[in-house]
Amino acid sequence: AQKVTQAQTEISVVEKEDVTLDCVYETRDTTYYLFWYKQPPSGELVFLIRRNSFDEQNEISGRYSWNFQKSTSSFNFTITASQVVDSAVYFCALSEAIRTQAGTALIFGKGTTLSVSS
Amino acid sequence: KAGVTQTPRYLIKTRGQQVTLSCSPISGHRSVSWYQQTPGQGLQFLFEYFSETQRNKGNFPGRFSGRQFSNSRSEMNVSTLELGDSALYLCASSLRQGYNGYTFGSGTRLTVV
Repeated sequence: AQKVTQAQTEISVVEKEDVTLDCVYETRDTTYYLFWYKQPPSGELVFLIRRNSFDEQNEISGRYSWNFQKSTSSFNFTITASQVVDSAVYFCALSEAIRTQAGTALIFGKGTTLSVSS
Repeated sequence: KAGVTQTPRYLIKTRGQQVTLSCSPISGHRSVSWYQQTPGQGLQFLFEYFSETQRNKGNFPGRFSGRQFSNSRSEMNVSTLELGDSALYLCASSLRQGYNGYTFGSGTRLTVV
């Protein structure tokens, strides 16, 4: 069965600190996709990144970076020099690759609430 | 370019009533998925529609149903509401089935009293 675990429920940091959000996943598939979403208080899930199972390259986008390691089934997310605007709930998600006419679904972790204070 | 639009934003219903939520996907997007978010269970997949057909369904009772129209707009219906149905219902759209780029709306906050 597919499962996503975000062990950190809440993290509090002070502005300019670096913070890493952990994500561990379980799947029996060899082809799958991993995602990170940000949910600000407004409720909308904001897409941050998608990574497929064959691409283990780490990615950096501005202050955001992601470390994907298949050997440990982890897809961790680091925010460098955090800012107050980074305060939100962050979700890691997993989906299988579609094979048939059946649809796909995102399996979400429980989320990590990040609070950045000034 | 307009994003995913969900209406209404907030809704209060009484136990036993039914409710219909609406989702308009991004123009050109043909796949629509629905998710329920509660503090206890987190984000859970309800169903996905593509070309007016339900392609996948999550583990929810039959009281939860949906449909998709020819213009890709989607509605979900919950009948015989229970207190536990109080949640944020999120809709997501994507270009096509199997394309794993999902754009979410701001959700409909349903409160059952």
